[in-house]
Amino acid sequence: QLQLQESGSGLVKPSQTLSLTCAVSGGSTSSGGYSWSWIRQPPGKGLEWIGYIYHSGSTYYNPSLKSRVTISLDRSKNQFSLKLSSVTAADTAVYYCARVRWEWTNNWFDPWGQGTLVTVSS
Amino acid sequence: SSELTQDPAVSVALGQTVRITCQGDSLRSYYASWYQQKPGQAPLLVIYAKNNRPSGIPDRFSGSSSGNTASLTITGAQAEDEADYYCNSRDSSGDLLVFGGGTKLTVL
Repeated sequence: QLQLQESGSGLVKPSQTLSLTCAVSGGSTSSGGYSWSWIRQPPGKGLEWIGYIYHSGSTYYNPSLKSRVTISLDRSKNQFSLKLSSVTAADTAVYYCARVRWEWTNNWFDPWGQGTLVTVSS
Repeated sequence: SSELTQDPAVSVALGQTVRITCQGDSLRSYYASWYQQKPGQAPLLVIYAKNNRPSGIPDRFSGSSSGNTASLTITGAQAEDEADYYCNSRDSSGDLLVFGGGTKLTVL
C-alpha cells in the first residue's frame, strides 16, 4: 500500500525559504501515469493546489505561486520536495503531499500524506 | 476558467439524501474528483472518474456530472458523513489543477 510522509521545518522566518520533503513508500516515484503533488491549507481555509512533478521531471505550478515555487524529484531516494521562497505569514498552512493519478479526462489525488504544519513567523 | 465554485455550507437530516455541487467551465471537458475532510485529518478521496468509489468508501456516496456542474450525492446520510467536502478538476488548459472552495456538510 502506497504511503506518503511529509517532513521538514515547521517554523520558517519571513522572507526565507520553506523546504519540505515527501517520502514515498510502497511504490515508486518512477511509475508512469502518475505525478507527485503538493497542496496546502491555511488554518480554517480551503485546499490550494501548489504544483506537481511527473516522473519525467516535468513540473506544473499554480500561477499564483509559480514565481516562488520549485518542486523536485529524487528517484534514488524515492521522494519529492517543495521549496517556496520569500515566505510571508500568508504562507502559514498545513502542507500535504499526494500522488495524482491521470486518466484521459480524469485525475485524482490518492493517497495523501498526513500533512505538516508550517508556520511563518519571526 | 480556472475556478470551481461550491456552496459554503449544506445541511441534511439524518438518513436523508443530500447533493453537493461543484460548478466550473472546465467541468464541461474534465470530470471532478471528490474529497472528504474531517477536522484534523488529511483529505480522503471518496469519488473519482465521475462515479467510482475507492475501496472502503460506502456505496451511499455517488457522483454525477452534467454540463458545467459536478455533483456528489450522499444517499442516506450518516452522522459520520459530517465533514468538509472538496471537488477537484483541471483548468481549461488541462495541465493545471484546481480545488473548489469546499462545502461544510452538517448532518442534523
